[in-house]
Amino acid sequence: TQLLEQSPQFLSIQEGENLTVYCNSSSVFSSLQWYRQEPGEGPVLLVTVVTGGEVKKLKRLTFQFGDARKDSSLHITAAQPGDTGLYLCAGSNNNNDMRFGAGTRLTVKP
Amino acid sequence: EAGVTQFPSHSVIEKGQTVTLRCDPISGHDNLYWYRRVMGKEIKFLLHFVKESKQDESGMPNNRFLAERTGGTYSTLKVQPAELEDSGVYFCASSPDGTSGYNEQFFGPGTRLTVL
Repeated sequence: TQLLEQSPQFLSIQEGENLTVYCNSSSVFSSLQWYRQEPGEGPVLLVTVVTGGEVKKLKRLTFQFGDARKDSSLHITAAQPGDTGLYLCAGSNNNNDMRFGAGTRLTVKP
Repeated sequence: EAGVTQFPSHSVIEKGQTVTLRCDPISGHDNLYWYRRVMGKEIKFLLHFVKESKQDESGMPNNRFLAERTGGTYSTLKVQPAELEDSGVYFCASSPDGTSGYNEQFFGPGTRLTVL
């Protein structure tokens, strides 16, 4: 049973469009991380959210942590081809190991 | 500052052989983690070192896998004997001590293991 469900699994959009990807769980996490991974590389940390309801912005990316700290979303505004990649969410508790979602593979076409 | 490095980047071995993967964490990071992604599945936790001690090895699949971190610096993950289902990408990650209150892990590029 997968602890973190990410949706959609695949997303292909045109440059300039907006998109939202979701990360849902039945478990509460003390923190949740979003990573982006490109082929042949390891996941690269984008953001960490720790407070229920927290919103963080990173240029065109907006991350939100659910009030109950069970879910999160990533919204990208005016997507660019450079945003193409695999987006992973991962939840952790008390500095222990992280549980990953399967990822959303995003393709942004020029 | 150098990131997490892993060696080798790729390894192709035959079933029954032994392979040793190495991870060098970011200097000064006490926490070191091993993860694995097999084809089509999510990244899964294998184990967690704090310095040289195994904090949590609940994700290790079986006793063919042995991880060490002598001296609390680099770590090795040995698979002996390798089986077909061990194929996948093995990631190492490190994080500082827990004083920040939450867990930010920095990943290496991974070792792609193929068992034929």
